[in-house]
Amino acid sequence: GQSLEQPSEVTAVEGAIVQINCTYQTSGFYGLSWYQQHDGGAPTFLSYNALDGLEETGRFSSFLSRSDSYGYLLLQELQMKDSASYFCAVRDTGRRALTFGSGTRLQVQP
Amino acid sequence: GAGVSQSPSNKVTEKGKDVELRCDPISGHTALYWYRQSLGQGLEFLIYFQGNSAPDKSGLPSDRFSAERTGGSVSTLTIQRTQQEDSAVYLCASSWGQDQPQHFGDGTRLSIL
Repeated sequence: GQSLEQPSEVTAVEGAIVQINCTYQTSGFYGLSWYQQHDGGAPTFLSYNALDGLEETGRFSSFLSRSDSYGYLLLQELQMKDSASYFCAVRDTGRRALTFGSGTRLQVQP
Repeated sequence: GAGVSQSPSNKVTEKGKDVELRCDPISGHTALYWYRQSLGQGLEFLIYFQGNSAPDKSGLPSDRFSAERTGGSVSTLTIQRTQQEDSAVYLCASSWGQDQPQHFGDGTRLSIL
């Protein structure tokens, strides 16, 4: 089986940097993904890490440490539009689809 | 090109009725997923189709739930004898392959009275 843990809520101010952590337990491991979902909207793909290290895409970066079963999403230069829920997801060897965490609700304040 | 299309966008029905939800994936995507999301919760995996392989049905919560994918494209999720706990947003996603980014539709909001 698999399980993921991420904080339920994070609050930050515009222009700041925020890190959303995700720890996972899987029987195998194929990679850690991050998705963003605005209220009432569809989840959208942000990033995927299959190997250890940092992946950067504009203001967003994602990090993975397979030895620690840990990853994080880093959002820089926060904007009001970044207020959304962020989900980490993993696929392990026992299942062909992703298992999603419960999501972290990010609130960006002016 | 068009994204993942789901219909209906909203469905209200009485307890005990059957419902069919439709998903039209992005053209060429071989993988198709169904998830369920309750208010303020994460995504719960239901079923996964990949090409001509047997679907992964391990997430279906009961035998009242079933899904088909015809011709490797459109999929329908059927819920028989609906119960109030079936109320949720049902999301469909498709991707080029198993570990490729998933593209989600806007979902069907199902309400069981």
